[in-house]
Amino acid sequence: DGGITQSPKYLFRKEGQNVTLSCEQNLNHDAMYWYRQDPGQGLRLIYYSQIVNDFQKGDIAEGYSVSREKKESFPLTVTSAQKNPTAFYLCASSIDREGREFDEQFFGPGTRLTVL
Amino acid sequence: AQRVTQPEKLLSVFKGAPVELKCNYSYSGSPELFWYVQYSRQRLQLLLRHISRESIKGFTADLNKGETSFHLKKPFAQEEDSAMYYCALSERSGNTPLVFGKGTRLSVIA
Repeated sequence: DGGITQSPKYLFRKEGQNVTLSCEQNLNHDAMYWYRQDPGQGLRLIYYSQIVNDFQKGDIAEGYSVSREKKESFPLTVTSAQKNPTAFYLCASSIDREGREFDEQFFGPGTRLTVL
Repeated sequence: AQRVTQPEKLLSVFKGAPVELKCNYSYSGSPELFWYVQYSRQRLQLLLRHISRESIKGFTADLNKGETSFHLKKPFAQEEDSAMYYCALSERSGNTPLVFGKGTRLSVIA
């Protein structure tokens, strides 16, 4: 059940520390996404990237940063500026056909981040 | 801006009873609608999309543009249907990612 992997599964962070969540895909997908999943809030988009070296802010980008140096990798850094970082983080990828349509998204298993 | 509303946070039904998970959307253009499902300890995965007009695991969903709805239905619920269900919308001609609803947890009682 590879395709898109996230690591680690569980992550603990002290307040004031930055932490980076890994997301890798071997599906040759162009587009990648980061979501935050909180009970009763659904999935909220943090950042997305349609192509290498380019990314856009989602609905809740404040306190987060990303990079897309390689097609298969889209790491997310949760900075100390994020006021409520404890959450379940999901990464996803999709084929971006001709830059105009976002196709079915495939999701990773998620990383649960807890701030102590 | 497009928006997806799932009015029920939790829906409990008895095994064998019909199920309807509601989804309403607001979008002025031509949308593409999806239902995603997350079973316990499994990844979020696509259940069905309106454009394919197929039935998956007994579930169907019809896009009603007049009522701007995309309700998910199944005539006879099974215990294995218990999961979190998310409705999502995509702009067909736009350049933005999926917009998800807040989700409905379906609990099928034996």
